[in-house]
Amino acid sequence: DQQVKQNSPSLSVQEGRISILNCDYTNSMFDYFLWYKKYPAEGPTFLISISSIKDKNEDGRFTVFLNKSAKHLSLHIVPSQPGDSAVYFCAASGGYGGSQGNLIFGKGTKLSVKP
Amino acid sequence: SQTIHQWPATLVQPVGSPLSLECTVEGTSNPNLYWYRQAAGRGLQLLFYSVGIGQISSEVPQNLSASRPQDRQFILSSKKLLLSDSGFYLCAWSVYEGLSPLHFGNGTRLTVT
Repeated sequence: DQQVKQNSPSLSVQEGRISILNCDYTNSMFDYFLWYKKYPAEGPTFLISISSIKDKNEDGRFTVFLNKSAKHLSLHIVPSQPGDSAVYFCAASGGYGGSQGNLIFGKGTKLSVKP
Repeated sequence: SQTIHQWPATLVQPVGSPLSLECTVEGTSNPNLYWYRQAAGRGLQLLFYSVGIGQISSEVPQNLSASRPQDRQFILSSKKLLLSDSGFYLCAWSVYEGLSPLHFGNGTRLTVT
């Protein structure tokens, strides 16, 4: 049973427009959520995170929104750039100390930004 | 700044052979260290984590073991590889305290033949 779901395997967006990537989770014990970006043949790169006590976190062009009642989070990229083309993974965790590293990952959404 | 090094990038090994993958972190002390694996068609799964030298916790039973001989060195090993050990292995680190993200290395693509 997938605890973290990214239901869109791919997304295509025009350069300069907004990209919205979505993620749903089922475990109400999750208290920390992260987005990673991955290029082929590289490890995932951390983008942005949010704890369950917040509903929004911004970092430059990237904003993550958390809706705890709906168990849903989204990543907004504005404006989208061709260099943003990659696979984006949503991840969640529910503990402190060593176990905080037990991130549950979604299967990823491939974003393509067209010039 | 902190960096994480993982090698080799690719590895082809026969069934029954031993395995040793090494990961080192620079620019931080007393990090949490992790080994993840992505098998074909599946998501990333945590295999081992360590909060200090000699301290290893295993998340899933398997044919692999991990060791942390130094503060910033994490090693993944196997005495005899199985076909099912093929996959993409990622090392990661995080700061010890609080909610903090994991930072991943570039991974090792292991093919067991």
